[in-house]
Amino acid sequence: DAGVIQSPRHEVTEMGQEVTLRCKPISGHDYLFWYRQTMMRGLELLIYFNNNVPIDDSGMPEDRFSAKMPNASFSTLKIQPSEPRDSAVYFCASSLGVAEENTEAFFGQGTRLTVV
Amino acid sequence: KNQVEQSPQSLIILEGKNCTLQCNYTVSPFSNLRWYKQDTGRGPVSLTIMTFSENTKSNGRYTATLDADTKQSSLHITASQLSDSASYICVVSGGGSYIPTFGRGTSLIVHP
Repeated sequence: DAGVIQSPRHEVTEMGQEVTLRCKPISGHDYLFWYRQTMMRGLELLIYFNNNVPIDDSGMPEDRFSAKMPNASFSTLKIQPSEPRDSAVYFCASSLGVAEENTEAFFGQGTRLTVV
Repeated sequence: KNQVEQSPQSLIILEGKNCTLQCNYTVSPFSNLRWYKQDTGRGPVSLTIMTFSENTKSNGRYTATLDADTKQSSLHITASQLSDSASYICVVSGGGSYIPTFGRGTSLIVHP
């Protein structure tokens, strides 16, 4: 397996534009996570899915953020409208189970988003 | 509140030297603690996981320790190499939540 695949690797957009980040999890993994990483706050969990169903979206900063998982092999994180403070690296991760079950989350290489 | 504190925030050492990174947590009840290595421009990769009954676990030149009584863990790197330059993130699971608690990481730079 090629691991978790994210696209694009880099995205530069103007404030107010819609941004869509994409993720392909590892085949067979039932859990998918979206994280945001900044220098100030480190890694923060935004939302996670189990079997394509959103389980906890309490980390989503506001209504401008939305995530979907239409099938087991694809997920999107959308920001509309984007703002400069959304600039960060966004990671997608997948795993066979939750962290409490000692299962490892495998991370993609991230999407570096810059909103100008 | 579940918290994970890592120290130092950053560290610079010479190639070949040893170093130790610290992780203190308040997560309770405790399930496990995982150390991740994150190279620049890449996603985190797991180095090791510690469960309640484990005190020490090694992965090559990396040795993790856990003291569940004092809620502390350390990651010791022996004979550092340039490729060890990275951010090391401590992640603790438990606390009555399926969502683990992340430390903000220690940035390690190894100079030749």
